[in-house]
Amino acid sequence: QKEVEQNSGPLSVPEGAIASLNCTYSDRGSQSFFWYRQYSGKSPELIMFIYSNGDKEDGRFTAQLNKASQYVSLLIRDSQPSDSATYLCAVKGAGGFKTIFGAGTRLFVKA
Amino acid sequence: DAGVIQSPRHEVTEMGQEVTLRCKPISGHDYLFWYRQTMMRGLELLIYFNNNVPIDDSGMPEDRFSAKMPNASFSTLKIQPSEPRDSAVYFCASSSLNVAGVNNEQFFGPGTRLTVL
Repeated sequence: QKEVEQNSGPLSVPEGAIASLNCTYSDRGSQSFFWYRQYSGKSPELIMFIYSNGDKEDGRFTAQLNKASQYVSLLIRDSQPSDSATYLCAVKGAGGFKTIFGAGTRLFVKA
Repeated sequence: DAGVIQSPRHEVTEMGQEVTLRCKPISGHDYLFWYRQTMMRGLELLIYFNNNVPIDDSGMPEDRFSAKMPNASFSTLKIQPSEPRDSAVYFCASSSLNVAGVNNEQFFGPGTRLTVL
């Protein structure tokens, strides 16, 4: 079983719709959860991080965390073609700074 | 700030040759990470340093791989001898603790695309 699992996609949504990206993790002791965006041929860049159960909103992005279900999600409202990228879920455990990345979900936003 | 700097951006070499990848972290960052990204395995952490000291090298695939950080502004990842299965994009990232003592964002360099023929 992979430590951080994501649906590889591609996930295709029309412009203006809500894109929902999901991630599950295996280590119950995980403390910090991150979403990175990676455009084709580029390096990952941080979009959001979340530590506590519940929702965290930042502009069009909302991260959701449910530690009991070991589940993290990212919602993108009013999706734009510029949101088309691969979204990487990353999880960090309680000790150290080792961050485990999921394989990523490819998102396509159709104009 | 110029961000994390990596060199070379592209490297093509033949099997058996030594490859050295270089990284300059963001000034003031005391954590440095080396990752490898392939289509099959995704983004994998190879090793990370704190204050120039290797903390966790459990992701280094085998003895052919070695990493050093001689000072706060420079790190190398060496592969000797290289093999075709080492072909990947290698990223360097750096980070630091925020005022709350929490390590959040990792800033990634542009990566080195390595091809071993």
